[in-house]
Amino acid sequence: EVQVLESGGGLVKPGESLRLSCAASGLTFSSHAMSWVRQPPGKGLEWVSSISGSGGGTYYPDSEKGRFTISRDNSKNTLYLQMNSLRAEDTAVYYCAKGGRGSSGWYPFDYWGQGTLVTVSS
Amino acid sequence: EIVLTQSPGTLSLSPGERATLSCRASQSVSSSYLAWYQQKPGQAPRLLIYGASSRATGIPDRFSGSGSGTDFTLTISRLEPEDFAVYYCQHYGSSPLTFGGGAKVEIK
Repeated sequence: EVQVLESGGGLVKPGESLRLSCAASGLTFSSHAMSWVRQPPGKGLEWVSSISGSGGGTYYPDSEKGRFTISRDNSKNTLYLQMNSLRAEDTAVYYCAKGGRGSSGWYPFDYWGQGTLVTVSS
Repeated sequence: EIVLTQSPGTLSLSPGERATLSCRASQSVSSSYLAWYQQKPGQAPRLLIYGASSRATGIPDRFSGSGSGTDFTLTISRLEPEDFAVYYCQHYGSSPLTFGGGAKVEIK
């Protein structure tokens, strides 16, 4: 059974940095694209970033380019999201999901973790 | 960027009734890279439909998706108590991936 488990969320001040992790099991991790999706409190879903199985391809919406960096360590079956210069509007539950841009195209998000809450507040 | 508009925002129905949710794209969605997700309070989203009409693993056949181009529909043929939730459509065929604003199916 595929499982993904996020960690690393917490309370940070505006301008600070945070790194989220996502440990995956039950799959050949390096064969699958992975993504981050966030959900501000009481609001809808927002795509944050995707990375190919090899890690050679990374994808971001224009709004996040430069502040967020997605990466993965296939030897550890772990996905990361480095978030810098955090703002109040980055406050959200951050979900790790299997899917995104793979070697053969784009894939839907078929497995999700339970999310980790990031709160940016002074 | 493809903007997805879901309607109605809220649907009030009784168990056993049929639910029809709409998702309209601002431009054509390539190769029907359109997905639907269900989210219940305090839970992660769950993939229901991908490729506009293919059910994900383990999804009951009362859920069906249809449409192409810019107009897509999620239909729940007979609502079960566990189907009352928020539903999101998503375009995943190119970057940036986008989600609709969500549609809530509530008990009447």
